[in-house]
Amino acid sequence: AQSVSQHNHHVILSEAASLELGCNYSYGGTVNLFWYVQYPGQHLQLLLKYFSGDPLVKGIKGFEAEFIKSKFSFNLRKPSVQWSDTAEYFCAVTRNTGFQKLVFGTGTRLLVSP
Amino acid sequence: NAGVTQTPKFRVLKTGQSMTLLCAQDMNHEYMYWYRQDPGMGLRLIHYSVGEGTTAKGEVPDGYNVSRLKKQNFLLGLESAAPSQTSVYFCASSYGADRYGYTFGSGTRLTVV
Repeated sequence: AQSVSQHNHHVILSEAASLELGCNYSYGGTVNLFWYVQYPGQHLQLLLKYFSGDPLVKGIKGFEAEFIKSKFSFNLRKPSVQWSDTAEYFCAVTRNTGFQKLVFGTGTRLLVSP
Repeated sequence: NAGVTQTPKFRVLKTGQSMTLLCAQDMNHEYMYWYRQDPGMGLRLIHYSVGEGTTAKGEVPDGYNVSRLKKQNFLLGLESAAPSQTSVYFCASSYGADRYGYTFGSGTRLTVV
């Protein structure tokens, strides 16, 4: 079965620090990859997505992610975090053929201290 | 431009009571989904629908029923609520194949006492 692993459950950073959140998936075929963000008390919003092409994907609010097929990874990065980035971040994966449901990781809770 | 609207936003139920959560989308999406979100477990799919009149079980369907009588609405029912169903419930919709990503509603926080 397809699964998604986010090994960092809680991350605490100071403002201006760099961020990298890990995401690994288990499915071996062609996949679509997503990162969602959930700010406190709000619903999930799409940060960025990868379908094909350039493995370095740029999203909103200065976030980017790199797809490394050989490592089955899609890590999220931001060079300099802000207090407003405090949120929970979810990686999600689905197959690229036909209708396949989105499978979410368990999430990483990021706290940025001012 | 409402997107996905969930009602109610909060609810407290007693064990054994029933209720229905409503999800409405105005984007003409074919696919709709119900998830529950619990601490440390991420989002788990309860049921989903690939079009009007269709429903299918997700990862954690027990204790829930759904209906999709109209394309824009997807209802989630709890016939006899249990404390284990205390959770935050999110509805989502999408055009089709998941390459487009999902649009989520704002959630319903349900407490079963």
